[in-house]
Amino acid sequence: DAGVIQSPRHEVTEMGQEVTLRCKPISGHDYLFWYRQTMMRGLELLIYFNNNVPIDDSGMPEDRFSAKMPNASFSTLKIQPSEPRDSAVYFCASSELNEQFFGPGTRLTVL
Amino acid sequence: GENVEQHPSTLSVQEGDSAVIKCTYSDSASNYFPWYKQELGKRPQLIIDIRSNVGEKKDQRIAVTLNKTAKHFSLHITETQPEDSAVYFCAASGGGADGLTFGKGTHLIIQP
Repeated sequence: DAGVIQSPRHEVTEMGQEVTLRCKPISGHDYLFWYRQTMMRGLELLIYFNNNVPIDDSGMPEDRFSAKMPNASFSTLKIQPSEPRDSAVYFCASSELNEQFFGPGTRLTVL
Repeated sequence: GENVEQHPSTLSVQEGDSAVIKCTYSDSASNYFPWYKQELGKRPQLIIDIRSNVGEKKDQRIAVTLNKTAKHFSLHITETQPEDSAVYFCAASGGGADGLTFGKGTHLIIQP
């Protein structure tokens, strides 16, 4: 298996633009997580899904953030409109039981 | 919600010495405690984990201890090597496949 796949790896955009981050979990994993990492706040859980259903979205910062999982092999995290304070590395992770496997991350820069 | 505190934020040790990183958690319902290693520009990778029904777990040079009564757990690395230099994160969750709450990380520096 190729592991968790994320795209794009890097994204630079201007304030106010819509940003869509993509994730393909490991096949057979029925849990998918979105995390954000910044120097100031560390690693934070944004939302997670079980069998494509959102279970806990209490970490989503505000209404500008939304996440979907239309099927077992694909999830998106969308920011609309983006702001400079959204600049971070966004990780997707998947798991079958306890161990979570992280993707390579998307480094987002909002100018 | 869960809150995880991690200390120290930076730890410098001589190559060959031991390193200890400590974490405390707040939610007594948490029962899964993984440790992740993250090298610069890379993804976090699991190095060891422990569940609440176990007090200690060891894997070669790495060991983790858990004290559920005091709500703290620690990572021990013996005979440190240059490749151990990285940022280490502790985390806690309610088990199953809940989302993880991470500590702020410890930058471990191995001095030659």
